[in-house]
This record gives sequence, structure tokens and C-alpha cells, in this order.
Amino acid sequence: SAVISQKPSRDICQRGTSLTIQCQVDSQVTMMFWYRQQPGQSLTLIATANQGSEATYESGFVIDKFPISRPNLTFSTLTVSNMSPEDSSIYLCSVDTGQGNTFGSGTRLTVV
Amino acid sequence: LAKTTQPISMDSYEGQEVNITCSHNNIATNDYITWYQQFPSQGPRFIIQGYKTKVTNEVASLFIPADRKSSTLSLPRVSLSDTAVYYCLVGDGGSQGNLIFGKGTKLSVKP
Repeated sequence: SAVISQKPSRDICQRGTSLTIQCQVDSQVTMMFWYRQQPGQSLTLIATANQGSEATYESGFVIDKFPISRPNLTFSTLTVSNMSPEDSSIYLCSVDTGQGNTFGSGTRLTVV
Repeated sequence: LAKTTQPISMDSYEGQEVNITCSHNNIATNDYITWYQQFPSQGPRFIIQGYKTKVTNEVASLFIPADRKSSTLSLPRVSLSDTAVYYCLVGDGGSQGNLIFGKGTKLSVKP
């Protein structure tokens, strides 16, 4: 199965700033997925990132707040923009391996 | 994607068999049933996937009755390290990974 390297693993950020999270996969994949997991909650899909096209966002998530880049088939970034304390969550990237999804270890973001 | 219903939490003791049942009454013909395990501070990990009857791997078994409106994840002889949240997902096996998670079942294994 794919191995995902996600960084940073955690960060504490000031409100109003932005943080870019990186996700590197050890194999080429068509689509990469970004999820958010708020404290004590389940995972929520933010968007699907295709290489060479704009990401597809789920209801409640917009590109201005969560811009995504997908420059090649092994890499993607998610930016959390103009952060507020409500953005404090774990952010995870994921890929479909053909036998279920593999997830990164997540980025624990705290906004103060 | 079909909605799933699981118990919020379950308690067990080491060495016991644990069965977690998931209801998915509006499962579609082309939907598969997939279970994930999540430990604290980690991303979910794929456990098992099935379409009908029974599937078994080195970690768990998945039982799916003929009407496919429910499924049961069976963990044999659990240990303390099986304490985790278990998610049941139902969707098109070819959906290419845009998973919709429910609330999951928090399993606590006690010594």
C-alpha cells in the first residue's frame, strides 16, 4: 500500500495567518483527498485534488479558505487561510490504494 | 452514499471476541462495506472490505447477511492495543476514495 508523508505534524498559529500542509505519496496517484477531523469528531471530506485541474470541494468548504495545489501525481498541499480558532482541527490527506484508503498521520493545528 | 448507524461505544476485556454491528438500510446494489480503525493521533487504517457473505483476513472477519442491510465486524481475542474507534463505511467500491465517515464506534478494551 502507499506510504504518505504529511507535514508539519502539528503547529500552533496565530489567528489571521495561513498554514500550508504538505502531503507526499511514495507512488503516483490520480486523486488525493483532504479531510478535517475536529476534536472528538469523525472525519469530514474537504476536497478532492486532481493533478492538472482545480480541486473539487465538498459542501461547506470553499477554495478561498482552503486553497489546494496538486502540481504532480505524488504531491499536494492544503492551505488553511485567514485562520480562526474554529479551524483548530486535525487535517489529513488520503489516497485510494484500490483496497481502501491510506491516510497520512495528520497535521494537528491549533489556532490561538 | 448510504448512511450508516453504529453503536457509539463498546467495552470489552482482553481475550474476548468483539462484534461491532453496523446498519445500512439503504445500501445500493453497487455499494461495498468497508471498515476502518483509528487510533488516537493517527489517521484511519483500512481493516477489511466486503460485498456479501463473509470476508476474513489476518485482522478481522466481516459478516454480511443476504439482504446486506447490516454488517458485523468481528475482532477475535482482542487485546489492549485494539482500543480504537472503528468506522463502518458504505459506498461504491469504485468511488475512488472520497469517503464519507459516520460517527464510528469507540471500542475500549480493558485488562
